[in-house]
Amino acid sequence: EAGVAQSPRYKIIEKRQSVAFWCNPISGHATLYWYQQILGQGPKLLIQFQNNGVVDDSQLPKDRFSAERLKGVDSTLKIQPAKLEDSAVYLCASSFRGEGNNEQFFGPGTRLTVL
Amino acid sequence: AQSVTQLGSHVSVSEGALVLLRCNYSSSVPPYLFWYVQYPNQGLQLLLKYTSAATLVKGINGFEAEFKKSETSFHLTKPSAHMSDAAEYFCAVSASAGNMLTFGGGTRLMVKP
Repeated sequence: EAGVAQSPRYKIIEKRQSVAFWCNPISGHATLYWYQQILGQGPKLLIQFQNNGVVDDSQLPKDRFSAERLKGVDSTLKIQPAKLEDSAVYLCASSFRGEGNNEQFFGPGTRLTVL
Repeated sequence: AQSVTQLGSHVSVSEGALVLLRCNYSSSVPPYLFWYVQYPNQGLQLLLKYTSAATLVKGINGFEAEFKKSETSFHLTKPSAHMSDAAEYFCAVSASAGNMLTFGGGTRLMVKP
């Protein structure tokens, strides 16, 4: 079974530039999550989708971050414009259903460096 | 609101020694609790999870954790450390519905030969 796929794996940009990350969840998983992991910290949820609808985006900095999951499968996360403090690993995860006891499967992450 | 505290950002043990990684949580509802492991440049992999079926949970690679409600703890243990256990370990909590994971700050485990 294929796992969660993310691309690119690494991205270096200058501040004020824009960047986009892509995630393909495990086939059949209805729930998709984007987490931000700053160096030395645990992951922090940015946004949760159930199929193509947003369940929770309370911690997403909406002035610069946006995310979509148009067909309920793949998802993209965009940052525009990027700030230095956005340097982090962006993790995508998926689960079969968005229930508390469901295991979340994580992709390898995209490491973003903002100069 | 949920929160997780992992005591000790770095833990060092000798190969063959007991591994004990501490996790305390707060949750306003009965929680689901998870331990994840992260190897360098990789995503998180589930070690084990507590979903109220049994307080002692066994996971992969010889790890286990015990849910203690009175202490609001979910410490991770392994009787004998192996070099391959060196990694970052994260404790996480989710509410009974919604599945949003709240992670602790992580504990980096180092294993000395």
